Amino acid sequence: GAGVSQSPSNKVTEKGKDVELRCDPISGHTALYWYRQSLGQGLEFLIYFQGNSAPDKSGLPSDRFSAERTGGSVSTLTIQRTQQEDSAVYLCASSLGGGFGDGYTFGSGTRLTVV
Amino acid sequence: TQLLEQSPQFLSIQEGENLTVYCNSSSVFSSLQWYRQEPGEGPVLLVTVVTGGEVKKLKRLTFQFGDARKDSSLHITAAQPGDTGLYLCAGHGSSNTGKLIFGQGTTLQVKP
Repeated sequence: GAGVSQSPSNKVTEKGKDVELRCDPISGHTALYWYRQSLGQGLEFLIYFQGNSAPDKSGLPSDRFSAERTGGSVSTLTIQRTQQEDSAVYLCASSLGGGFGDGYTFGSGTRLTVV
Repeated sequence: TQLLEQSPQFLSIQEGENLTVYCNSSSVFSSLQWYRQEPGEGPVLLVTVVTGGEVKKLKRLTFQFGDARKDSSLHITAAQPGDTGLYLCAGHGSSNTGKLIFGQGTTLQVKP
């Protein structure tokens, strides 16, 4: 597609349930990033993919968070046993090669609310 | 740990006024980017600066990268209500992953 697509756009889940967030990057972009944003704040890095590999997972907050990317394209971010502190907007971005100076194209995000 | 600090965090001005947003760090960045984000949307790239002392202009927006590549500024001339949004600076740090480190953002409100 023309842009980065994320689904669902909104997700309300009960505490303790698992959720899956999906990201479709721009075709041909080899680098894919997940960030988390709390209300009106900056972006917190979660994980970086180059192709299907994740050379940098340093931002994942706990072992309840995992992510995968298949076919060098679609990525899913899974949060197990969700907690209220997981409530945030989860943003996915892709870039052409992941090199210095490459700009990100972001999706519109998934707003996750844990009740 | 490389950090980017933005100031001010909030800015509310009248249409036609000028403003400057600052992005500072104690670390050197290989490049620095500015993004603008509107409610319910992802950030959109405005500019990338890579050379110390570089100045780029985008209509009424002027971006500057510090000589030492540790800081940057965004200046808006004659602000308009359409400039309202969250402005984020982001830098490529010392890792080679292409990962961007983001500042906490500056929320700008321009009143008509």
